[in-house]
Parts: sequence; structure tokens; C-alpha cells
Amino acid sequence: NAGVMQNPRHLVRRRGQEARLRCSPMKGHSHVYWYRQLPEEGLKFMVYLQKENIIDESGMPKERFSAEFPKEGPSILRIQQVVRGDSAAYFCASSPAGRGSTGELFFGEGSRLTVL
Amino acid sequence: AQSVTQLGSHVSVSEGALVLLRCNYSSSVPPYLFWYVQYPNQGLQLLLKYTTGATLVKGINGFEAEFKKSETSFHLTKPSAHMSDAAEYFCAVSDTGRRALTFGSGTRLQVQP
Repeated sequence: NAGVMQNPRHLVRRRGQEARLRCSPMKGHSHVYWYRQLPEEGLKFMVYLQKENIIDESGMPKERFSAEFPKEGPSILRIQQVVRGDSAAYFCASSPAGRGSTGELFFGEGSRLTVL
Repeated sequence: AQSVTQLGSHVSVSEGALVLLRCNYSSSVPPYLFWYVQYPNQGLQLLLKYTTGATLVKGINGFEAEFKKSETSFHLTKPSAHMSDAAEYFCAVSDTGRRALTFGSGTRLQVQP
């Protein structure tokens, strides 16, 4: 039973380029969450999505960042015109839908973005 | 609104000693509480969780935590530290069980031989 799959695990971009991070949730999970972890810091919530819907994007920077979770395929976190401050580990987590969920999130191994 | 405070960004214990990692939360409704562990360059793994019921929760690897409503705390303990426990530990809260978790800033545990 595959867990949350993220790719790429490591990504290097130059300033001004675009970064695309992909996340496939656990089988049977339809809720996806993206978190960012800066060096030596905790996890900061970015966005919460269900299939074809953004439920909560209160943690997303207003510019350059976007996320989607299409009906088919993985969730994608897109960062346009990257800057050095975007260098971080980006974690995806998933959870099952429906009432009775205890709120536990299942995490992927993360995608580590380095901006040169 | 919900928030988590982890006291002590670094904790060092000797192998075989008691591990105590502190977590205090703020939540406007009864919370769901979690402890996760992160090993270097890996994702987060759930250690234990409190939702309802018994306030003393046992998790994996010999860890346990006690929910104390009066103190708004959910401290993580392990009677005897092992070298393999060295990792970063995160406390998290969710106030509805269906919202995203809010994480503390983490506590890095070092275990000395």
C-alpha cells in the first residue's frame, strides 16, 4: 500500500525559473495539504485541497505560488519566478475524506527545492 | 484560532534517561493533538494522537503523551531514551479534526551515549 508520493525529491532552479512539485496522495485519500519547512524551522501550512477545489489557501503567498488538485492526476504546487528565499523543503500530506476523520495527516518524504 | 508552543528547541539526554518534550496548545474548541517525528531528510511520521477518550495516549517506539486540559498541555515522554530516538519532534493541533494541522516549531532531541 503505497504512501504519499512526492517528486522530485530534489530540485535545483535558478532565480526566475519555475518550480513544479508533484504529490500523489495515499490510495483512497482525497484531501491534500502542502506545507513548507524552512531550514531549522517548523512546518508552515500553505494550502489544503480536495479534488478540483481549493479549501483553504490562507498560508499561500499572494504572488508566484499556486496549487491545484485535478480530477485526474497528482496535486501540483507551482512556484513561478523563484527567488532564493523559496529554498525549502515542501511536504505534501493527505488524509481520507468524510466525517469521522481524526485529522491525522500522512506525509510524503518531501521535495527539497534549492534556488541558486 | 489554534497554535502550538514547544518549549525548548533542543533537548539533550543520556541514553537510558527519561525523555520529556513539552507542548502547550491553544484552541477555541476541544482539540485533536498529535506528535510527529522527523528523521533527517525524511518526512514526518506519526508517533501518537489524542482525539477523545483516555487522556494518556500510547504511541510507537515506547512514547506516550498525556492530554491535560487544565494545563492546555500535551507533553511527550519516554521512560528510557535510545540512540535511535535522536530526531526532530513536532507537536501539532487541529481544532476540528477536519482542518489542516498547525505545527509547533519543533524540538531536536539529542541522545548522548
